[in-house]
Amino acid sequence: GAVVSQHPSRVICKSGTSVKIECRSLDFQATTMFWYRQFPKKSLMLMATSNEGSKATYEQGVEKDKFLINHASLTLSTLTVTSAHPEDSSFYICSATDREGGEKLFFGSGTQLSVL
Amino acid sequence: SQQGEEDPQALSIQEGENATMNCSYKTSINNLQWYRQNSGRGLVHLILIRSNEREKHSGRLRVTLDTSKKSSSLLITASRAADTASYFCATDSPSGTYKYIFGTGTRLKVLA
Repeated sequence: GAVVSQHPSRVICKSGTSVKIECRSLDFQATTMFWYRQFPKKSLMLMATSNEGSKATYEQGVEKDKFLINHASLTLSTLTVTSAHPEDSSFYICSATDREGGEKLFFGSGTQLSVL
Repeated sequence: SQQGEEDPQALSIQEGENATMNCSYKTSINNLQWYRQNSGRGLVHLILIRSNEREKHSGRLRVTLDTSKKSSSLLITASRAADTASYFCATDSPSGTYKYIFGTGTRLKVLA
């Protein structure tokens, strides 16, 4: 099956620093990638949708300047949490759809961000 | 919001028993999917059911969809300890842009 690799799996950073999370589709071309945020024992909250070569579409209430998304190629999307603060601490997950499958989502393993 | 709600929020059963979890959603859909998430991990796709389908099977999984009630159920038969995980339903946007909204999830614990 299609594999999505997400790195890092865990990151601890100081308040005010920026953190970059990578999401790669390893064996397929990802038409669209999605970024989610998940709080403990809660559902996934869609943050943004990114298509290769175009600007990401952010969900209402998600700060574009805070969460920078770059979908530079059909296999790579990155999420940068800029000037991170403790309230940004969360589990971030990416997912992707491929050209063929379309509807099925393939998920990365998630990144646990802790901001001190 | 379109987010679905699932019930129960948590379910604890003995190995070998069946587990049923339900999902309700608010707007019309093209399809509904069920995903599984092990603690601290990403989600894994289980099954997709289209709006014109009423029931679908995959191994020990059985999914039903009632579009008139805007609800779906996931049945796991003969559960195993390895089925312990959170289960989420996901519905697509009416605009059909492959944007999926996830339900609140059911945390299933299967006791050996």
